[in-house]
Amino acid sequence: EAGVAQSPRYKIIEKRQSVAFWCNPISGHATLYWYQQILGQGPKLLIQFQNNGVVDDSQLPKDRFSAERLKGVDSTLKIQPAKLEDSAVYLCASSLRTEVLSYNEQFFGPGTRLTVL
Amino acid sequence: AQSVTQLGSHVSVSEGALVLLRCNYSSSVPPYLFWYVQYPNQGLQLLLKYTSAATLVKGINGFEAEFKKSETSFHLTKPSAHMSDAAEYFCAVSAPWSYGNKLVFGAGTILRVKS
Repeated sequence: EAGVAQSPRYKIIEKRQSVAFWCNPISGHATLYWYQQILGQGPKLLIQFQNNGVVDDSQLPKDRFSAERLKGVDSTLKIQPAKLEDSAVYLCASSLRTEVLSYNEQFFGPGTRLTVL
Repeated sequence: AQSVTQLGSHVSVSEGALVLLRCNYSSSVPPYLFWYVQYPNQGLQLLLKYTSAATLVKGINGFEAEFKKSETSFHLTKPSAHMSDAAEYFCAVSAPWSYGNKLVFGAGTILRVKS
């Protein structure tokens, strides 16, 4: 079974530029997550989708970050304009579904390492 | 709000020695708890999870963890370290009663294994 795919793996941009990351979850997984992992910290959830609807985007800096999952499959995370503090690894994860009182394992992709100069 | 605290950002052990990585959680009711491992330039891999069944949980690669409600702890152990265990380990917590299965991660512990 193919895992979570992400591209690009590495990206270097200058501040105030725009950047986009792509994620293709495991086939059949309804839930998709984007995490930001700053060096020396644990991953922090940015946004969670269930199919093409947003479940949680409370920690997404909406003035510069946006994400979409139009057909309920793959997803794009965009930063516009980028700041120095956006340098991090952006991880995508997917799980079968989201439900109360039951845990569905999240499977993580390899991440995209963003460097903002 | 839930949170986890991992004691020690770096832990160094000799090959063959006991591995002990500490995690304490903050939650008003017993949450779900997890340990993930991250190798360089890779995503996170689930080692083991506690979802309110047995308090002693066994995971992959010989790791295990014990949920102790009285101590609000979920420490990760392995009896004998191997060189391949060198990686970063993250403890995470999730609220089973809320829709979303959101994971809140600790800051991570880098495990170094000396030969």
